[in-house]
Amino acid sequence: HLQLQESGPGLVKPSETLALTCSVSGASISSGGYYWGWIRQPPGKGLEWIGNIYYSGSTYYNPSLKSRVSISVDTSKNQFSLKVTPVTAADTAFYYCARDDYGKVDYWGQGTLVTVSS
Amino acid sequence: EIVVTQSPATLSLSPGERATLSCRTSQSVSSYLAWYQQKPGQAPRLLIYDASNRATGIPARFSGGGSGTDFTLTISSLEPEDFAVYYCQQRINWPPITFGQGTRLEIK
Repeated sequence: HLQLQESGPGLVKPSETLALTCSVSGASISSGGYYWGWIRQPPGKGLEWIGNIYYSGSTYYNPSLKSRVSISVDTSKNQFSLKVTPVTAADTAFYYCARDDYGKVDYWGQGTLVTVSS
Repeated sequence: EIVVTQSPATLSLSPGERATLSCRTSQSVSSYLAWYQQKPGQAPRLLIYDASNRATGIPARFSGGGSGTDFTLTISSLEPEDFAVYYCQQRINWPPITFGQGTRLEIK
């Protein structure tokens, strides 16, 4: 049974770096066949795709965020990670990690709220 | 970027009634459209993919239709647990993917 779990700080100061990790259990990222991605949702608002990564390290990013975002993968730990820098209040959101089946998002983590505030 | 527009923003219905939610895209996405359900405090859940295919474990009362730029999600007879926010999402030019702004289905 595939499960994803986000972890990382819930509070980040403006201009600093947001860093989250997604731990995957029940499947191996290195098996291939799927991408692994991040989606965010400001409180009370809609969903925004951030980007994804393949086990090989190949990445795709939302053009609107590309200059500030990076996604990496650690197959030895079966984890992938997100960094956003520098952050502003507009980056306050629930961040979800997910399995991306060529655009069909079929498994989601429970989400973690990251607040950007001094 | 393909813009995805959902209507109505809020739909008020009673249990047992039929719900029809609409989704329109700014250009054709063929059948590459999905629907998700999100309950308060939870992550979204995939309901329908490629316009009309139910995801694993999704009840038969949920059905999707349409192609090109106009799509619908139908819930044939509303159960109490169906009241939630529903999002549609296109993937024809993945990556990226884009979502609609959501339709809130509330109890009348």
